[in-house]
Amino acid sequence: DIQMTQSPSTLSASVGDRVTITCRASQSISSWLAWYQQKPGKAPKFLIYKASSLESGVPSRFSGSGSGTEFTLTISGLQPDDFATYYCQQYNSYSLTFGGGTKVEIK
Amino acid sequence: EVQLVESGGGLAQPGGSLRLSCAASGFTFSSYGMNWVRQTPGKGLEWISYISSSSTPIYYADSVKGRFTISRENAKNSLYLQMNSLRDEDTAVYYCARDTDGRIVGRGVVDYWGQGTLVTVSS
Repeated sequence: DIQMTQSPSTLSASVGDRVTITCRASQSISSWLAWYQQKPGKAPKFLIYKASSLESGVPSRFSGSGSGTEFTLTISGLQPDDFATYYCQQYNSYSLTFGGGTKVEIK
Repeated sequence: EVQLVESGGGLAQPGGSLRLSCAASGFTFSSYGMNWVRQTPGKGLEWISYISSSSTPIYYADSVKGRFTISRENAKNSLYLQMNSLRDEDTAVYYCARDTDGRIVGRGVVDYWGQGTLVTVSS
């Protein structure tokens, strides 16, 4: 299985900050990467597919980049609603696999 | 509005069985593949199975292969997960999740999730 590694595991930031989360794959997955946001007690929410394509309705302050084995999720101008845990997921091959998550908390 | 509602979770003994169900509404169920994804505090999110709109192909994670069976009834807008030979490590919240294979995004991404049902395996 392809292993997905996220860093950092926790990130402290303030409203208005630009934050970047990194996701690395154990082998090349081309651009077959998705990002999700999850808040406590809730199901994940789909944000980005194919590494950089924003799902409809997702605010433009979210952006994704990367290909191959290294990817980033950037939030430009962190909003109060953005404090949550973020997961990457590869869909290059089955089994689908998720990263361990990055918790974005209030500084 | 897309809705996915899981049921059937609860307490099971090691070696026992449970059957999860997922009722789908708000979209053409027969046009989409579906997944089961589980989440534990210790292991995060774990994809466990996919079934296409026509029930072929089906994929399983190695951790559940041979023990769990995914199925669907398009006429009833329903997805199922039969879980046998349950182990302590199967304890998790189980999510029914719609695949994007019915959209231009392609297969392997989840765009809608249910609220989850808790499965606890313990003696």
